[in-house]
Amino acid sequence: EAGVVQSPRYKIIEKKQPVAFWCNPISGHNTLYWYLQNLGQGPELLIRYENEEAVDDSQLPKDRFSAERLKGVDSTLKIQPAELGDSAVYLCASSLEGRPADTQYFGPGTRLTVL
Amino acid sequence: EDQVTQSPEALRLQEGESSSLNCSYTVSGLRGLFWYRQDPGKGPEFLFTLYSAGEEKEKERLKATLTKKESFLHITAPKPEDSATYLCAVQAGSSYKLIFGSGTRLLVRP
Repeated sequence: EAGVVQSPRYKIIEKKQPVAFWCNPISGHNTLYWYLQNLGQGPELLIRYENEEAVDDSQLPKDRFSAERLKGVDSTLKIQPAELGDSAVYLCASSLEGRPADTQYFGPGTRLTVL
Repeated sequence: EDQVTQSPEALRLQEGESSSLNCSYTVSGLRGLFWYRQDPGKGPEFLFTLYSAGEEKEKERLKATLTKKESFLHITAPKPEDSATYLCAVQAGSSYKLIFGSGTRLLVRP
């Protein structure tokens, strides 16, 4: 069974440019998460989707970050414009139903470097 | 405020030298405690979920245990391929998000 797929794996952009990350969750998983991981730290939740609905986006910096999950399957996270401090790894995860204590399975991440 | 602290930050072991990693947590209403392994350049890989104090789970050379305040990941006779960062995370109350610690970087030398 395929795991969580993310692309691109690496992205280098200049500040003020836009960037987008794509995620395809494990087949059948209704809940999708986007996390941000800074170097030497654990991941931090940005947004959680139940099917196509964003049910927790309280940690998403809405002035420059946006996300969508059309049709309740794959998802896109966008940053516009990017800032130097956005350099990090962006991880996508999915779980079967999103119940508390459901196991979240992570993709390989997209490493963003903002110059 | 919910908090997870992992220690030590880094650990160097000789192959075969058993040891333990610690994850201390302060949360209201623990729903689950998760252990993940993360290799450089990869996403976290799920290892275990523990739900209540006294629970233990094993997988190959790894054994996870849980008390009301902390969890231990015991590594028995480690091999170089066990080298990775081990992340602990908790889910508490009605929140669905995982609260992660900063991880323990394990290096096992042959």
